[in-house]
Amino acid sequence: DAKTTQPTSMDCAEGRAANLPCNHSTISGNEYVYWYRQIHSQGPQYIIHGLKNNETNEMASLIITEDRKSSTLILPHATLRDTAVYYCIVRVARGSQGNLIFGKGTKLSVKP
Amino acid sequence: NAGVTQTPKFRILKIGQSMTLQCTQDMNHNYMYWYRQDPGMGLKLIYYSVGAGITDKGEVPNGYNVSRSTTEDFPLRLELAAPSQTSVYFCASRLASTDTQYFGPGTRLTVL
Repeated sequence: DAKTTQPTSMDCAEGRAANLPCNHSTISGNEYVYWYRQIHSQGPQYIIHGLKNNETNEMASLIITEDRKSSTLILPHATLRDTAVYYCIVRVARGSQGNLIFGKGTKLSVKP
Repeated sequence: NAGVTQTPKFRILKIGQSMTLQCTQDMNHNYMYWYRQDPGMGLKLIYYSVGAGITDKGEVPNGYNVSRSTTEDFPLRLELAAPSQTSVYFCASRLASTDTQYFGPGTRLTVL
């Protein structure tokens, strides 16, 4: 699975959009980009994933660059409850083990 | 659906003691996983299972054992607890046809 690079921490004002970047310059053609988040002391929660097209669901939007070497997770109207560590994970869909390899992620702090 | 449930929520063990961490899912998921998370770090895979009767080692299996006698349950056994096993343990599950993993709330274990 390709390596990802994320900023250690970010701040965002409540009600504003939170844009979380992720670099994955060694991504392969069959690898997807997944985003999970972990609110303090809870288990990780799936947010969204994509291959090359931009994706949107009720939680967030995922923008993947045309060369697929980076992506951005967008929380359109951040709330205090979105304060969490956000993990960008790149992996082959339904790989042999299917486990997720978590880095240190980005700690997002949403401030009033 | 209760999703993925884990018991206990907290436990303190003395060095050399043994215990079993329980994990149950009611979503009829084929795959189940055990991860551990040390402070400030990402999750590391301990063991996983692709179905009842089938288990395999992950990245950090030493000091642990698992079994999968039913689809629903995937207990993790610590035989001789050591301080290095102080961590938060997360169980997760997914369907074979998707990559979205669902995590339990975690068990916080301290070995003194």
